[in-house]
Amino acid sequence: KQEVTQIPAALSVPEGENLVLNCSFTDSAIYNLQWFRQDPGKGLTSLLLIQSSQREQTSGRLNASLDKSSGRSTLYIAASQPGDSATYLCAVHTGKLIFGQGTTLQVKP
Amino acid sequence: ETGVTQTPRHLVMGMTNKKSLKCEQHLGHNAMYWYKQSAKKPLELMFVYNFKEQTENNSVPSRFSPECPNSSHLFLHLHTLQPEDSALYLCASSQDWRSTDTQYFGPGTRLTVL
Repeated sequence: KQEVTQIPAALSVPEGENLVLNCSFTDSAIYNLQWFRQDPGKGLTSLLLIQSSQREQTSGRLNASLDKSSGRSTLYIAASQPGDSATYLCAVHTGKLIFGQGTTLQVKP
Repeated sequence: ETGVTQTPRHLVMGMTNKKSLKCEQHLGHNAMYWYKQSAKKPLELMFVYNFKEQTENNSVPSRFSPECPNSSHLFLHLHTLQPEDSALYLCASSQDWRSTDTQYFGPGTRLTVL
């Protein structure tokens, strides 16, 4: 059974710091891995999607990597801003999306 | 409107009430999904519909009854719920249920069962 774990559960950093969010999964048989952002009480917004054959994807200040063999992905956020404060969810696609519990990020001005 | 919309945004109901959640997608997609997001737990897939046909029921209790009259609309009918059913219910859509492209999510309905 596929399980997705995200560490840490919560993170607080001062504005301007670079930070890394971690995601691990137990079964490497995935089609892709996605990172989503969720603002409080809101739906999910897709940030980056990495196909199983890819190693990384970049969008602006965000960079996501995928190491399928070790079952790990990281989301790197450069020069963090208060507007980045949200919960970040990792999900693997195995025929359906399996989500981690998320990392709640607070960026302090 | 664009994207995926959900109504109502907030709902409080008693255990004996009957209510319905509505989802509408304006993306021309063929697949629609219901997810449940409880505090301290990952998102859980509840139901999947593709071209109005249910393709997955993830062992959801019968007090939750989905309905998909067409590819653009999805309902979740609720009756005799329990307090532990209080959660954020999210609707999503994608091009096709077999597609590995991203799913687009609505803003959710925050449900409180008293």
